[in-house]
Amino acid sequence: GQNIDQPTEMTATEGAIVQINCTYQTSGFNGLFWYQQHAGEAPTFLSYNVLDGLEEKGRFSSFLSRSKGYSYLLLKELQMKDSASYLCARGGYGGSQGNLIFGKGTKLSVKP
Amino acid sequence: KAGVTQTPRYLIKTRGQQVTLSCSPISGHRSVSWYQQTPGQGLQFLFEYFSETQRNKGNFPGRFSGRQFSNSRSEMNVSTLELGDSALYLCASSLGFITGFYNEQFFGPGTRLTVL
Repeated sequence: GQNIDQPTEMTATEGAIVQINCTYQTSGFNGLFWYQQHAGEAPTFLSYNVLDGLEEKGRFSSFLSRSKGYSYLLLKELQMKDSASYLCARGGYGGSQGNLIFGKGTKLSVKP
Repeated sequence: KAGVTQTPRYLIKTRGQQVTLSCSPISGHRSVSWYQQTPGQGLQFLFEYFSETQRNKGNFPGRFSGRQFSNSRSEMNVSTLELGDSALYLCASSLGFITGFYNEQFFGPGTRLTVL
């Protein structure tokens, strides 16, 4: 199958750190993406991992373990504007990354 | 640089009708992908086009079709609309196939289709 699993909802406090986990089917793996989607808006690219390890980009970091089919997105120093859905996606098959397989998203609510 | 544009932004149709949605990619992008987003299923891949050729197709019935023109603009068509086709249809563009490098997709604002 092509299941990508991530928690449905999470709540965190402004200024805190939150980790959003994602597990995926490992066969035919072609990269792991994280997107952010604010309500009523289009998804925007956050990060990409194809090799094991941590990729840091400002307040956001993404980690990948290919052998475990596991990734997480780490958000530090949370701000109210970080309230959004976070979508984990893996690259599709055939060498293309234009057919992403998305998880159903994690809705993050940041409270004051 | 202008982003991905989609027209129309909102559409209301009735069951049995057909609909055509349009997507203009970012200038220089040759790959266009279409996704359907619903609250229950999330984002699901429909098709991917590159240089006027369909490269990949998702698990949707034949009522869903698409095409890409020589200027990279793309259209998707849904015939014999069903209530379950009500969704946000998102188009994403990217440079295209670049083996070994990530191929960031830029999403348009979407077309909200309501089928009554």
